[in-house]
Amino acid sequence: AQSVTQLDSHVSVSEGTPVLLRCNYSSSYSPSLFWYVQHPNKGLQLLLKYTSAATLVKGINGFEAEFKKSETSFHLTKPSAHMSDAAEYFCVVSDAGSGNTGKLIFGQGTTLQVKP
Amino acid sequence: EPEVTQTPSHQVTQMGQEVILRCVPISNHLYFYWYRQILGQKVEFLVSFYNNEISEKSEIFDDQFSVERPDGSNFTLKIRSTKLEDSAMYFCASKSSRLAGLQETQYFGPGTRLLVL
Repeated sequence: AQSVTQLDSHVSVSEGTPVLLRCNYSSSYSPSLFWYVQHPNKGLQLLLKYTSAATLVKGINGFEAEFKKSETSFHLTKPSAHMSDAAEYFCVVSDAGSGNTGKLIFGQGTTLQVKP
Repeated sequence: EPEVTQTPSHQVTQMGQEVILRCVPISNHLYFYWYRQILGQKVEFLVSFYNNEISEKSEIFDDQFSVERPDGSNFTLKIRSTKLEDSAMYFCASKSSRLAGLQETQYFGPGTRLLVL
């Protein structure tokens, strides 16, 4: 069965400094991985997704993630944090073993705080 | 840009009452999902729906839950007799087709916060 583990429940950075949100996955298939963001009182918005075309995936708002099979990781990074990046971030895997219904399996979430 | 909408944004109900949560998926999408997030816990899959029938459901989705697509636009989740533990944020999601398989993006609504007293 697929699963994802987000290694930090809370990350705090200063504005202008790099962001690293960590995610490890477990999958017996070649996984489809996503990062979603949730701003307060908003829906879940897709940041980026890994589709096996390239291991370094670029997303919206300057975020990117690198798929590392040897480390079973899919960490999310951004070179320079902005105040508007403060939100909840979810690492997600699509369940390959469910008859292709594509249900999503979520990590616990990481709250990103950006200090001025 | 098309988006998934959900109503109401908040719902307060008494234990044992029925609630219906409504979703309008993106218009050309074919796959529909409900997820929920109990406060402080993970987002959990409840049910997927395709071609007017349930394609998969989780253990959470027991006989108290049902889904329906009553017309060409709405997708509803009904909880027949609410329990305290049903208090959660409920998210609706949709995706367009099976062609991209598991890589297809699911688009989420803003959620309905349900509080059962």
